[in-house]
Amino acid sequence: DGGITQSPKYLFRKEGQNVTLSCEQNLNHDAMYWYRQDPGQGLRLIYYSQIVNDFQKGDIAEGYSVSREKKESFPLTVTSAQKNPTAFYLCASSIQGRLQETQYFGPGTRLLVL
Amino acid sequence: AQKVTQAQTEISVVEKEDVTLDCVYETRDTTYYLFWYKQPPSGELVFLIRRNSFDEQNEISGRYSWNFQKSTSSFNFTITASQVVDSAVYFCALKDGNNRKLIWGLGTSLAVNP
Repeated sequence: DGGITQSPKYLFRKEGQNVTLSCEQNLNHDAMYWYRQDPGQGLRLIYYSQIVNDFQKGDIAEGYSVSREKKESFPLTVTSAQKNPTAFYLCASSIQGRLQETQYFGPGTRLLVL
Repeated sequence: AQKVTQAQTEISVVEKEDVTLDCVYETRDTTYYLFWYKQPPSGELVFLIRRNSFDEQNEISGRYSWNFQKSTSSFNFTITASQVVDSAVYFCALKDGNNRKLIWGLGTSLAVNP
């Protein structure tokens, strides 16, 4: 079945630690996105990529980094510079990132700070 | 500036009642797209509908219907004969030519009680 997978489902981070969230899609989509969701808030865009080896900052990129070495994969690293990382992280993809396209989402990763 | 307002934070209904979720948007662009997503307790965002600014026809899909009115900048969502499985947070989102990122409302939490 085609879709978006995210792992792990839950992730625990210690102080000063970098952690990486995985996002893989087999939809053959060019564009991929990372969002952060906090309780009672809408989604906020962290980073997005419309093509391999290229990505752009979203609205809240500070403290995060990404890579896009393969079309299928768009991992997100939460660095120690992100002081409040506890949140629900959602990965999404769309065909080419054009205006009219729908974004489809993965199941999410919940990050908790120990 | 672009904005999406979902004024209803929480709605509680009894099974089989009809319920309408409101969405009001702001944009200066003439070409834009509106979306509704469902987020059940599992967390994954499920795409429900996409509507472009040039198509004001209402849409019905089973128990779900959407009323798009450009005159009032609204894109409301109605569930007819609600069921317990409809319990979720519902998000309305906007994407326009000035800002190709999705602009999200804060969501409406719907509880359907047996």
